[in-house]
Amino acid sequence: AQTVTQSQPEMSVQEAETVTLSCTYDTSESDYYLFWYKQPPSRQMILVIRQEAYKQQNATENRFSVNFQKAAKSFSLKISDSQLGDAAMYFCAYGETSYDKVIFGPGTSLSVIP
Amino acid sequence: DGGITQSPKYLFRKEGQNVTLSCEQNLNHDAMYWYRQDPGQGLRLIYYSQIVNDFQKGDIAEGYSVSREKKESFPLTVTSAQKNPTAFYLCASSPRLTVEQFFGPGTRLTVL
Repeated sequence: AQTVTQSQPEMSVQEAETVTLSCTYDTSESDYYLFWYKQPPSRQMILVIRQEAYKQQNATENRFSVNFQKAAKSFSLKISDSQLGDAAMYFCAYGETSYDKVIFGPGTSLSVIP
Repeated sequence: DGGITQSPKYLFRKEGQNVTLSCEQNLNHDAMYWYRQDPGQGLRLIYYSQIVNDFQKGDIAEGYSVSREKKESFPLTVTSAQKNPTAFYLCASSPRLTVEQFFGPGTRLTVL
């Protein structure tokens, strides 16, 4: 069965610095999607970034980028120039079009220190 | 303005009562999902539906029921059989080709 692991329950970063959140997953499939979601104190889940497994190029969205290592089954999120508004829970997620469901990791709580 | 709405935002229930949480989407997505989130925890799947009039149990379906009579609506009923229903409930929808989840704002249910 597919699983998603986030080994860092809590992380902190100084404002304007860079932080990397880790995620590993387990699957026997070759075609799938990976996501990072952000949940701020409002609890609204917001998609941060999406990666298709067939794409070798790492996805980027402004200050957010991923390091997708397919062979290692690793999908880390890098946040550059951290801002106070980046403080939130971050969830890594795995999905397949043939599987119907998305599997979420347990989350990493990110604090941003002014 | 496309999106997912959930109502109410806060809901209080007495023990032994059934309550229904509303979820509506106008994104024309085929799939809809219900998740439960406890404080400091991740998301646990309760039920999901890929098409109208069909739905499947997730990981924690006991004490919950759903219906999918319309593509845009997927209400969740929390029954009196659910032993610990106090939690935050999130509804999501997704287009089948990408499985990207689009979330509603959530409902906070408290049992008094």
